[in-house]
Amino acid sequence: NFMLTQPHSVSESPGKTVTISCTDSSGSIASKFVQWYQQRPGSAPTTVIYENKQRPSGVPDRFSGSIDSSSNSASLSISGLKTEDEADYYCQSYDSSNVHYVFGTGTKVTVL
Amino acid sequence: QITLKESGPTLVKPTQTLTLTCTFSGFSLSTSGVSVGWVRQPPGKALEWLALIYWDDDKRYSPSLKSRLSITKDTSKNQVVLTLANMDPVDTATYYCAHMGTNRHFGYWGRGTLVTVSS
Repeated sequence: NFMLTQPHSVSESPGKTVTISCTDSSGSIASKFVQWYQQRPGSAPTTVIYENKQRPSGVPDRFSGSIDSSSNSASLSISGLKTEDEADYYCQSYDSSNVHYVFGTGTKVTVL
Repeated sequence: QITLKESGPTLVKPTQTLTLTCTFSGFSLSTSGVSVGWVRQPPGKALEWLALIYWDDDKRYSPSLKSRLSITKDTSKNQVVLTLANMDPVDTATYYCAHMGTNRHFGYWGRGTLVTVSS
């Protein structure tokens, strides 16, 4: 099995850009899709990015996703930070044979 | 409109088997490419994927919990049932069911149900 490791927390001021990394222990992140979920306190997660960089309808283009094969990691960037972006964010992927699904360790985003 | 709702006991004793039901509407689990999964979250901790059942009755389980988990579906009732055997206090968590479509992300979630394991 594999693990997805995220920084525990990141913080930035309103209007700035924050980037969250998600590192794949299997070394093959380029062979699978990564999703990103936002979870506000007391609520279920919602998708902000799927298939590495796709945004569901209703998600603002301030949210963007990318993959970096050289560092074997995925990233979620949030530009023009707003107080409403303050939440926990989780990456999620699956193994190459689509047998197992894994969530990342989660990152708390604080908007100062 | 897709909705999902979890139901089951809020309190179970150690060693008991937990049975949770996910009742959904707005889609059919007999439609090609559709699946329903279960995810849990201990208080203050990260999300953990548990199990997934596909439209064709294929099933997937978390390797760390596979020996204790079972997932089944009743297409006619629009329900998915998860059982977790030999419950322990560390299994205390909010349990969510979620819809996964062909783009393989959990696009719709239930509100979750908190299950506490205590004697």
